[in-house]
Amino acid sequence: EVQLVESGGGLVQPGGSLRLSCAASGFTFSDFWMHWVRQSPGKGLVWVSRVNGDGSSTIYADSVKGRFTISRDNAKNTLYLQMNSLRAEDTAVYFCARAYCPGGSCSSVVDFWGRGILVTVSS
Amino acid sequence: DIVMTQSPDSLAVSLGERATINCKPSQSVLYSSNNKNYLAWYQQKPGQPPKLLISWASTRQSGVPDRFSGSGSGTDFTLSINSLQAEDVAVYYCQQHFSAPPTFGQGTKLEIK
Repeated sequence: EVQLVESGGGLVQPGGSLRLSCAASGFTFSDFWMHWVRQSPGKGLVWVSRVNGDGSSTIYADSVKGRFTISRDNAKNTLYLQMNSLRAEDTAVYFCARAYCPGGSCSSVVDFWGRGILVTVSS
Repeated sequence: DIVMTQSPDSLAVSLGERATINCKPSQSVLYSSNNKNYLAWYQQKPGQPPKLLISWASTRQSGVPDRFSGSGSGTDFTLSINSLQAEDVAVYYCQQHFSAPPTFGQGTKLEIK
């Protein structure tokens, strides 16, 4: 059974840092791109970042570029999101998400989501 | 960035009736070299993460009831839900993955009338 379990969220002051982790199980982690997607309270889905299978390629939304860093440890089956210089507008539930990879070709469609972790940026 | 506009923002449909949700990308998401539309649909129930329903505009994921169907091409797409069931109450999102960054529609809230 595919499982994605996020951790590391919480309350942080503006300008602070937080590192989210996502423990993956039930599939060959290194075969899949992984994404972070966020959802502000009562709002819609916003894609944040993506990393390829071996961690060599990453892309970011403009709103987080230069502040957030996505990475992965395939030996530990874990995805990370290092978030620095946090702002109030970064307050959201952050979802760890597995890319849909039909025939081994991964995309920016998500076929499995974690339950999400809340990050609150407030003084 | 491609802007995804869904309509309506919310709708109420009677049990057993048909619900239709529209999605319009600001530019075509049809890739001419493979004739595929880079458009997906998700369902998000309250307190849950989203669930992928449809990929490539019209391909239902395994386990998704056949009352859900996707159609359209280019800049005009539709998610239809036939014979609406109580468990279909959710917010539905379209997403394009034609170009980076991938973008979602604002969501359509589906309720029972």
